[in-house]
Amino acid sequence: EVQLVQSGAEVKKPGATVKISCKVSGYMLTDYYMHWVQQAPGKGLEWMGYVDPEDGKTKYAEKFQGRVTITADTSTDTAYMELSSLRSEDTAVYYCAASGSYYYMDVWGKGTTVTVSS
Amino acid sequence: QTVVTQEPSFSVSPGGTVTLTCGLRSGSVSSSYYPSWYQQTPGQAPRTLIYSTNTRSSGVPDRFSGSILGNKAALTITGAQADDESDYYCVLYVGSGPVVFGGGTKLTVL
Repeated sequence: EVQLVQSGAEVKKPGATVKISCKVSGYMLTDYYMHWVQQAPGKGLEWMGYVDPEDGKTKYAEKFQGRVTITADTSTDTAYMELSSLRSEDTAVYYCAASGSYYYMDVWGKGTTVTVSS
Repeated sequence: QTVVTQEPSFSVSPGGTVTLTCGLRSGSVSSSYYPSWYQQTPGQAPRTLIYSTNTRSSGVPDRFSGSILGNKAALTITGAQADDESDYYCVLYVGSGPVVFGGGTKLTVL
């Protein structure tokens, strides 16, 4: 069974950087694309980007371009999402989601809560 | 900027059938947008229901089906149950990589 285990909750100050991990089990990271999705409190889901762990290629949503970096460490079967220049609007739950394709998400992690507060 | 539209809310009676739609503010949705659908209950991670227009994800009952209806993607739930009460999101692939979520539909079963 494919499972995604995300790192724990984070509290950051404005302007800081957060890096969240997503470790896969039950399959090899290179078998799937890894997407990241943001959900602010009381709001809908917003796609941030994905990485193809096979070659490290990424694609990001325009909204997050320049602030987000998604990477994959195939030696540990772990994907990462780094978001910089944090502001209060980045307070959200962040989900990783694996998929056999770049155009949908299939298996989801449980989410990581990031709180940005001074 | 691509805007994906969904009904903000919908209601269905227990045992009834409901069809939620997913459109584009500008243009028509076709299978080349690879529409997918997700269910989310409060406090939980999303669950994938449908991808590539009409392929059910593993473990999803056949009460859930996807299609293209006119110029929109559609998710049909037949035999609605109380635990179908959730938020439903669609996603469209807009080409050259990005995917875009719709704003979601809050489904009430009553």
